Amino acid sequence: QQQVKQSPQSLIVQKGGISIINCAYENTAFDYFPWYQQFPGKGPALLIAIRPDVSEKKEGRFTISFNKSAKQFSLHIMDSQPGDSATYFCAAATWGNMLTFGGGTRLMVKP
Amino acid sequence: KAGVTQTPRYLIKTRGQQVTLSCSPISGHRSVSWYQQTPGQGLQFLFEYFSETQRNKGNFPGRFSGRQFSNSRSEMNVSTLELGDSALYLCASTHTDTQYFGPGTRLTVL
Repeated sequence: QQQVKQSPQSLIVQKGGISIINCAYENTAFDYFPWYQQFPGKGPALLIAIRPDVSEKKEGRFTISFNKSAKQFSLHIMDSQPGDSATYFCAAATWGNMLTFGGGTRLMVKP
Repeated sequence: KAGVTQTPRYLIKTRGQQVTLSCSPISGHRSVSWYQQTPGQGLQFLFEYFSETQRNKGNFPGRFSGRQFSNSRSEMNVSTLELGDSALYLCASTHTDTQYFGPGTRLTVL
């Protein structure tokens, strides 16, 4: 049972544009929602995370929007750069453990 | 602080063999989790250890096992390897809800 659905699977954005990746979850017990960035040959690296008590969190060019009633959250990458080209994973967990990952989005930012 | 280290980085085994992977968490982190990453199934949780005790377990067969030592280092073992066990095995150490991943061990089963 896939508890976290992520879309799109792949995304091509022009340099300077906005990249938007969406995730939906089913388990209402989830209370921690991180986003990870993974480059080829590397492990996932935490980008930004949010808890359900806030609707938005921004760190630099990265913003998470969270809609608790719709059980959806999204990652926005502003002013996308070629260096942002990577695979992005959303995840959900209770108490920060046992991360359930979305299927991943391969982002390509064209110069 | 040094990050999460995993050894070996690459491993080739044949069907039926067993394998042991090692993970050293970030200094001071007591929780270690293991994940399997494959193109078909994505990232899947294997198990989590805290203070030498398995605290959570994912939906994997009993061929997959792990343990944690008193210094928080962890090992995972896969017995009777199958072709489908070929994957990137990732270890993560946790501090205040944040999981920090190592570079992974790429296991190829022939």
